[in-house]
Amino acid sequence: LAKTTQPISMDSYEGQEVNITCSHNNIATNDYITWYQQFPSQGPRFIIQGYKTKVTNEVASLFIPADRKSSTLSLPRVSLSDTAVYYCLVGLTGGMRFGAGTRLTVKP
Amino acid sequence: NAGVTQTPKFQVLKTGQSMTLQCAQDMNHNSMYWYRQDPGMGLRLIYYSASEGTTDKGEVPNGYNVSRLNKREFSLRLESAAPSQTSVYFCASGGGIRYEQYFGPGTRLTVT
Repeated sequence: LAKTTQPISMDSYEGQEVNITCSHNNIATNDYITWYQQFPSQGPRFIIQGYKTKVTNEVASLFIPADRKSSTLSLPRVSLSDTAVYYCLVGLTGGMRFGAGTRLTVKP
Repeated sequence: NAGVTQTPKFQVLKTGQSMTLQCAQDMNHNSMYWYRQDPGMGLRLIYYSASEGTTDKGEVPNGYNVSRLNKREFSLRLESAAPSQTSVYFCASGGGIRYEQYFGPGTRLTVT
């Protein structure tokens, strides 16, 4: 499974756009890129998934360049409730390998 | 629609005791997973079941066994608990080969 690297922590303010970048240099041809959000004492929650270019849903956008060696999760206009740990994962069947994730703190 | 349910929510064991963690999903997913999460760390895969009747080891299977009882249920058994197995255990299910998985609320296990 591909290894991912993402910043350990990020700070932002309410109303700002937050971009969290993940690098995955050894991504395989068939690998999808998936982002999860985890609040304290809860299981991770699926945010968004993509294969290439751009994917957008009601909560986030995912930008994937042509070489697919990185990806960027974009959270528009964050609020205090977006304070959480965000995980980037790449891979296919066989389960996921989570890294330590990015701890996002949104300040008022 | 309950999603993924886990029992118990909390458990304290003494070293050497055994227990089974239960997991059930009502989303008709083929795949089910067991993870553990230690403080400040990401989740690590213990075992998974790609479909009913099959199970495979994940990243950290030692000290655990699993049973895919039917399509809905996937249990995790600790035969002889050790303090190193103190962790939060999450069960998840997924519909296919893509990595969209749905997680249960977790079981917080302490082994003394």
